[in-house]
Amino acid sequence: GQNIDQPTEMTATEGAIVQINCTYQTSGFNGLFWYQQHAGEAPTFLSYNVLDGLEEKGRFSSFLSRSKGYSYLLLKELQMKDSASYLCAVGDFNKFYFGSGTKLNVKP
Amino acid sequence: DTAVSQTPKYLVTQMGNDKSIKCEQNLGHDTMYWYKQDSKKFLKIMFSYNNKELIINETVPNRFSPKSPDKAHLNLHINSLELGDSAVYFCASSQPTGGKGTNEKLFFGSGTQLSVL
Repeated sequence: GQNIDQPTEMTATEGAIVQINCTYQTSGFNGLFWYQQHAGEAPTFLSYNVLDGLEEKGRFSSFLSRSKGYSYLLLKELQMKDSASYLCAVGDFNKFYFGSGTKLNVKP
Repeated sequence: DTAVSQTPKYLVTQMGNDKSIKCEQNLGHDTMYWYKQDSKKFLKIMFSYNNKELIINETVPNRFSPKSPDKAHLNLHINSLELGDSAVYFCASSQPTGGKGTNEKLFFGSGTQLSVL
């Protein structure tokens, strides 16, 4: 079966850096995606890795190691508006398998 | 202009009723999806259509019937609603640039919160 694991909840302080980890075991792999979902809203795309290494996009970076089945999302200079759930998803031939999301609480 | 729009946003109904959720995308994407997000926040794929053709049906009860009149629309009809159907249903679309089978980022609608009483 498909298995995607990420921590349920994390807390960090405004201005700090936080790393959200994701491990996966899936039958296929067409890329690792990160989405942000604010409470009561739709998920929105943050970043995408298909090759090993780090992808940087402003305050957000995402890393992938395919051999280890591991990714992380790095958020720098945290802002209060970054309080949300962060969903890790693996693409597999038109399907996306999602983790249950990591709820990030940013405190002043 | 909303890229992926779905209606209604909230749906409260009695067990046994039949209901529909509509979805439209104006992004010109070929692929559309229905996802279900349960109370534990897991997003699970239900259906995927590519250019009006059903390509994924992920062991969903046949009480759920998707309909795609054209590639910009993917509606979801649910018969004989059950308590366990209560969840948030998200429509999404994507454009597989590498051809069928590749994955591109999803654009989600705002969700329909279905409550079955």
